[in-house]
Formats: sequence, C-alpha cells, structure tokens
Amino acid sequence: DAGVIQSPRHEVTEMGQEVTLRCKPISGHDYLFWYRQTMMRGLELLIYFNNNVPIDDSGMPEDRFSAKMPNASFSTLKIQPSEPRDSAVYFCASRPTGTLGEQYFGPGTRLTVT
Amino acid sequence: QQQVKQSPQSLIVQKGGIPIINCAYENTAFDYFPWYQQFPGKGPALLIAIRPDVSEKKEGRFTISFNKSAKQFSLHIMDSQPGDSATYFCAASRSGSARQLTFGSGTQLTVLP
Repeated sequence: DAGVIQSPRHEVTEMGQEVTLRCKPISGHDYLFWYRQTMMRGLELLIYFNNNVPIDDSGMPEDRFSAKMPNASFSTLKIQPSEPRDSAVYFCASRPTGTLGEQYFGPGTRLTVT
Repeated sequence: QQQVKQSPQSLIVQKGGIPIINCAYENTAFDYFPWYQQFPGKGPALLIAIRPDVSEKKEGRFTISFNKSAKQFSLHIMDSQPGDSATYFCAASRSGSARQLTFGSGTQLTVLP
C-alpha cells in the first residue's frame, strides 16, 4: 500500500484566498483524522470521520474551516478565507476499526499564508 | 484531564547515550500509550506502544517503562545513534470516542556523533 497520500505537499497563498487540502487514506481504513501542527500548539486534532461521516469537529478552529469526505478514498480540508495564522503543517491520518489507536499519518501539507 | 504532559521539550545526548523522555497523564480511562517518531518533513510514525497491564516493553533499542500508580510512562533509547535524531511524541487513547489520540507536546532529540 502507498500509505496515506496528501496533496499538495506545499501551498503558499495570499491572505483571503481559498485553500483546499486533499487526503487519500489507506484502503480499508474506516477512520480519517485531520490534524494541524504548529510550534506553539503542537499536534491538534481538527476533525475526524468514521465511514465517511464527520463524527467530531470540535477541534475546527473557526467557521472558515470545513472538511468533507465524499467517499472512502478521499477527503478535503478547506479554509476560506485563509489568514496568516492558519500557516501550519496539516496532516491527515487514517486507521482501521478494531485497533487500539495506531494511526498512519500522511507526509503533511505545509501551508503558508502571506 | 485529557492532557498528556511531556518533558523535556528538547534533549541533546552523545552517541551511545540513553535519552529518556517522560510523560504523565491524568485520565485513568486511558488504556493505550503509543510513542510516535517524527523526522523533519515527515508525518509522525508509530514507534512503540504499551498497555497498562505491563510495566515495560522493549522493541530493539527502544523501551517503554510504565508506572500505572504514578500515571507516568517514559521512553528510553538504548545506544542512541545520530539517526535517532527526531521529534518524539507520547500519546494516549481510551476505548470509545474512536480511540482518539491525545498527544504530548513533543521532545526534540538530537544525538551528536
């Protein structure tokens, strides 16, 4: 398996623009998680899905953030409008049902908002 | 009560040394304690994990020590190598709630040659 795939790997955009981050989980994994990593706040869970359904979005910082999972092999995290404080590395992770919690992380998307 | 506190924030050791990273938790419902390793430009990857019914687990040069009564666990890296230089995160999860991982703040380890 290719592992969790994220695109783009790097994104530079101007404040106010819409940003869409993409994730393809490992085939057969029922859970998908979106994280944000910054030096100040570490790894923060933004939202997670189970069988394509959003379960807990309490970590989404503002209404500017939205996430979708239209099918088992694709998820998006959208920021509209983007702000400089959104600059971070965004990770997608997936895991199968029945495990104790091991999550498989993608390589991340480094977002810079100028 | 959901927090996992990790220390130190950074650690520098010489090659062959034994760095130790410590974590503490409050929520006694946690029953799975993994450690993740992250190299620059990469996502975190599971390194080793332990459940509270054992006090120690070894995998190669990596050992987790677990103290249930103190609600603490630690990672030891034997015979550390420059290639072990990375950021290490402890984490905890419990049954239910999709077994979300609660991460510590991370320790940046540098192993000098």
